[in-house]
Amino acid sequence: SAVISQKPSRDICQRGTSLTIQCQVDSQVTMMFWYRQQPGQSLTLIATANQGSEATYESGFVIDKFPISRPNLTFSTLTVSNMSPEDSSIYLCSASLATDTQYFGPGTRLTVL
Amino acid sequence: GNSVTQMEGPVTLSEEAFLTINCTYTATGYPSLFWYVQYPGEGLQLLLKATKADDKGSNKGFEATYRKETTSFHLEKGSVQVSDSAVYFCALIFRAGGTSYGKLTFGQGTILTVHP
Repeated sequence: SAVISQKPSRDICQRGTSLTIQCQVDSQVTMMFWYRQQPGQSLTLIATANQGSEATYESGFVIDKFPISRPNLTFSTLTVSNMSPEDSSIYLCSASLATDTQYFGPGTRLTVL
Repeated sequence: GNSVTQMEGPVTLSEEAFLTINCTYTATGYPSLFWYVQYPGEGLQLLLKATKADDKGSNKGFEATYRKETTSFHLEKGSVQVSDSAVYFCALIFRAGGTSYGKLTFGQGTILTVHP
């Protein structure tokens, strides 16, 4: 299995600003993923981040709004840009050890005022 | 496309009651199936999984059997505790090739509340 940490655990931000969320895995992983969980909802995949290549975004998510970095096999960041109240959500990262199973971080709870 | 449907919630039970949370899926082929649990204020934890038909996943007293004929993966526990109160997500994933897998598809989640 993999142990995943995220920073910050929560934040309150003003509209129009940006927040970068960090995700650290305790072992080298091939694939990392970023999800959004809106209040009371299920998880929606934002993008898949592979080391050494551009992130692959799902329909409805664009790089200008959610730029992602994946500088090495244990770390990734997601930036939520030009935030609005509609971006208030839990953002979760996950990682896969080249198997069918994804392990999740504790999430970042974002509130945009 | 692939989809996962969970029973309507929320589910409210008394301690020591029997739990069933229904999960059915629509997919072409044979995905791996999962149950994840999200405790209040936390991220998702893998509860159990099954990778092929008739496999039974189990953990912490929870069980689920991969039923190909009914495309189901219902979660059961014989005696729930207050500490089981959480949101439960059913999910599936397909192998894309080699050691590569496609997108994890989630159900809508079922809120379970257990009262003393």
